[in-house]
Amino acid sequence: KQEVTQIPAALSVPEGENLVLNCSFTDSAIYNLQWFRQDPGKGLTSLLLIQSSQREQTSGRLNASLDKSSGRSTLYIAASQPGDSATYLCAVKGGQFYFGTGTSLTVIP
Amino acid sequence: GAVVSQHPSRVICKSGTSVKIECRSLDFQATTMFWYRQFPKQSLMLMATSNEGSKATYEQGVEKDKFLINHASLTLSTLTVTSAHPEDSSFYICSVSSGTSYNEQFFGPGTRLTVL
Repeated sequence: KQEVTQIPAALSVPEGENLVLNCSFTDSAIYNLQWFRQDPGKGLTSLLLIQSSQREQTSGRLNASLDKSSGRSTLYIAASQPGDSATYLCAVKGGQFYFGTGTSLTVIP
Repeated sequence: GAVVSQHPSRVICKSGTSVKIECRSLDFQATTMFWYRQFPKQSLMLMATSNEGSKATYEQGVEKDKFLINHASLTLSTLTVTSAHPEDSSFYICSVSSGTSYNEQFFGPGTRLTVL
């Protein structure tokens, strides 16, 4: 069974700092990997989708990479802002979506 | 991406009653819908997958007689929690997909269920 791990579980950074969130998965036979943002008590907002044949995707200040062979993905957030504070989830799609446990990010003004 | 709505956003009910949660795909023909459950400080766990016009497929450990799923059209799926108990209190989220493996999933805003 696919297992998805996210490190760190929580992260607190000052505003303006660049940061990296990590996601690892045990089964490299995936169709795609998706990064989501979840605000407290809310649903999921899709940030980036990387197909299994792709190496990275970029959207604004966000950049996600995928190394399928090593079972790793990173989400890079540039010039962090207080509004980036949320829980970030990665999910890999095999037969179904498997979610990581998330990284809770706090950006301090 | 697709716009997905859920109703209600919050519901409080007494133990033993049944609660219905609706998931609607507003601008997307959703051949497949997924229901997830999220307990506090935990990640999402898939409960079941439903395909329009057929029976839902439940994940191991999820009671199909307790969590009734109906996917009667390409825009609506419902989850009914029957004879709810306090341990069913959770955040329930649905998502939609067009059905092919490479497509994204689009998530609803979630429903917070509290069983007293």
